[in-house]
Amino acid sequence: EVQLVESGGGLVKPGGSLRLSCAASGFTFSSYSMAWVRQAPGKGLEWVSYISGISTYIYYADSVKGRFTISRDNAKNSLYLQMNSLRAEDTAVYYCARALPFDYWGQGTLVTVSS
Amino acid sequence: EIVLTQSPGTLSLSPGERATLSCRASQTVSSSYLAWYQQKPGQAPRLLIYGASSRATGIPDRFSGSGSGTDFTLTISRLEPEDFAVYYCQQYGSSPFTFGPGTKVDIK
Repeated sequence: EVQLVESGGGLVKPGGSLRLSCAASGFTFSSYSMAWVRQAPGKGLEWVSYISGISTYIYYADSVKGRFTISRDNAKNSLYLQMNSLRAEDTAVYYCARALPFDYWGQGTLVTVSS
Repeated sequence: EIVLTQSPGTLSLSPGERATLSCRASQTVSSSYLAWYQQKPGQAPRLLIYGASSRATGIPDRFSGSGSGTDFTLTISRLEPEDFAVYYCQQYGSSPFTFGPGTKVDIK
């Protein structure tokens, strides 16, 4: 059974940093691209970042480019999102998803950016 | 960037009725890399349709997708109580992998 479990969310002040993790199981992790998608409270889905199976291709939404870094450790079956220079508008539930398309999703982790 | 527009914003229907949801792209979606997701309150999205018309694993056949180019449709042939939710389309043919704003299907 495919499982994706996010962790690392929490309350952080504007300008601060946070690192999200996503632990994957139930499939050959290195064979799949992965992505992060976020959802601000009461809003729609926003794709954030994508990474291919062996990290050859990495893409970011313009809203996070230069501030967020996606990475993965295939030996640990884990996906990461390093978030720096956080802003209030980054407040959202962050989902990791297997890609493409996004056929499996984690339960999400809430990131709140507030002073 | 491909911008996706969904209509209507809200669809009020009764169980047993047919739902037709539209997704229009600002540019051609390459190779019909268009997906539909369902999201219920407090839950993660669930993939329903990929490749514009292929049902994902375990999705009932009352859900169907059609279209190509810039115009796509999700049809729910007969609404079940569990189908009342928000539906998003997404293109995954080119980065950024944009989502539409969603269509809420609620109970009339």
